Amino acid sequence: GENVEQHPSTLSVQEGDSAVIKCTYSDSASNYFPWYKQELGKGPQLIIDIRSNVGEKKDQRIAVTLNKTAKHFSLHITETQPEDSAVYFCAASRGAAGNKLTFGGGTRVLVKP
Amino acid sequence: DAGVIQSPRHEVTEMGQEVTLRCKPISGHNSLFWYRQTMMRGLELLIYFNNNVPIDDSGMPEDRFSAKMPNASFSTLKIQPSEPRDSAVYFCASSGVGAFFGQGTRLTVV
Repeated sequence: GENVEQHPSTLSVQEGDSAVIKCTYSDSASNYFPWYKQELGKGPQLIIDIRSNVGEKKDQRIAVTLNKTAKHFSLHITETQPEDSAVYFCAASRGAAGNKLTFGGGTRVLVKP
Repeated sequence: DAGVIQSPRHEVTEMGQEVTLRCKPISGHNSLFWYRQTMMRGLELLIYFNNNVPIDDSGMPEDRFSAKMPNASFSTLKIQPSEPRDSAVYFCASSGVGAFFGQGTRLTVV
């Protein structure tokens, strides 16, 4: 089955700096890669996703990149703000609809004012 | 849409008791997932349904766990009998394109 590794497990950045989280996956058939943000006491919230036919996707201060050959994908947060502090999860699946997601272990991001 | 709705939000029960967690998916979503989250094991998929039919229950820990989806708007996860090691946050998610999570049920078995 799919295995997703996520690094680092914790990340502390100064407000305004960039944060980068990296994930690798094992199943070459995976083609959908979402990222989730989880705040304390809440469920994971989908913040951005990327499909295998795209190498990069941006949404305001957030961007994701995908290297299918190397089986790794990354989340980039620019100009970090205190409200970006949360746990971030990457995931992979064989399709955006009707397929199970396999999650990475999570990255706890702390943005220091 | 109100999103995925789970109940109860918190449940404290004694070991050996039956626990039932409930989920109402987003209307129009054809897939429903039950996940369990713990510090040690992260987010684990327990079972998922497509069009109300169980597709993969390989993540269900043991026979004490069962899940049903009698119709497109309701699913339950039942633990009978419950044990302290079942203490975790249980999430339901539904998917059309992309999966959306509920707020979770924090289960404590004492």
